[in-house]
Amino acid sequence: DAGVIQSPRHEVTEMGQEVTLRCKPISGHDYLFWYRQTMMRGLELLIYFNNNVPIDDSGMPEDRFSAKMPNASFSTLKIQPSEPRDSAVYFCASSFVASEQPQHFGDGTRLSIL
Amino acid sequence: SQQGEEDPQALSIQEGENATMNCSYKTSINNLQWYRQNSGRGLVHLILIRSNEREKHSGRLRVTLDTSKKSSSLLITASRAADTASYFCATADGGYQKVTFGIGTKLQVIP
Repeated sequence: DAGVIQSPRHEVTEMGQEVTLRCKPISGHDYLFWYRQTMMRGLELLIYFNNNVPIDDSGMPEDRFSAKMPNASFSTLKIQPSEPRDSAVYFCASSFVASEQPQHFGDGTRLSIL
Repeated sequence: SQQGEEDPQALSIQEGENATMNCSYKTSINNLQWYRQNSGRGLVHLILIRSNEREKHSGRLRVTLDTSKKSSSLLITASRAADTASYFCATADGGYQKVTFGIGTKLQVIP
């Protein structure tokens, strides 16, 4: 069974540009999570969805960040406009709804904003 | 904010030795999990211990939990070069799905 798939794996763009990160969760999983990982702040939860509905977006840093999940097999995280401080590795993870099921992570998108 | 804090932040050992990593947290929890992250990859779940459990084993891994001290430890016995990775503890204090990760311990196992 395929794991969580993220694209692109690497993205380099200039400040002010729009960035869209994509995620395909594991089929059948009910939860989807977006995380950001930096050396300074570690792994931060940005937002998570249950059955395609956003449940908690309190970790989204500011209005420049938005996330959608139009269906059970696809989610996007968008940054518009991007800034150099947004440079980080962004991870998507998914899990079953049953309690104590582990989260399965994709291999991340390494984002560099110049 | 980070709930779990791992200690040490970095650890270097020889192959065959045991590696112990510690995690401390601040609030009451339902369970605590450990994850591994290889360089350039996503996190992989290793083991979960519930708040009413004190010790759990999985292969060469042993996890302990002391809720009175709000701490957990991960022991990797007979380490291998392939164990080189960062290890994170994660705590769930409410709904299981929303977990908070620590900063991680970077383990290097020297062949």
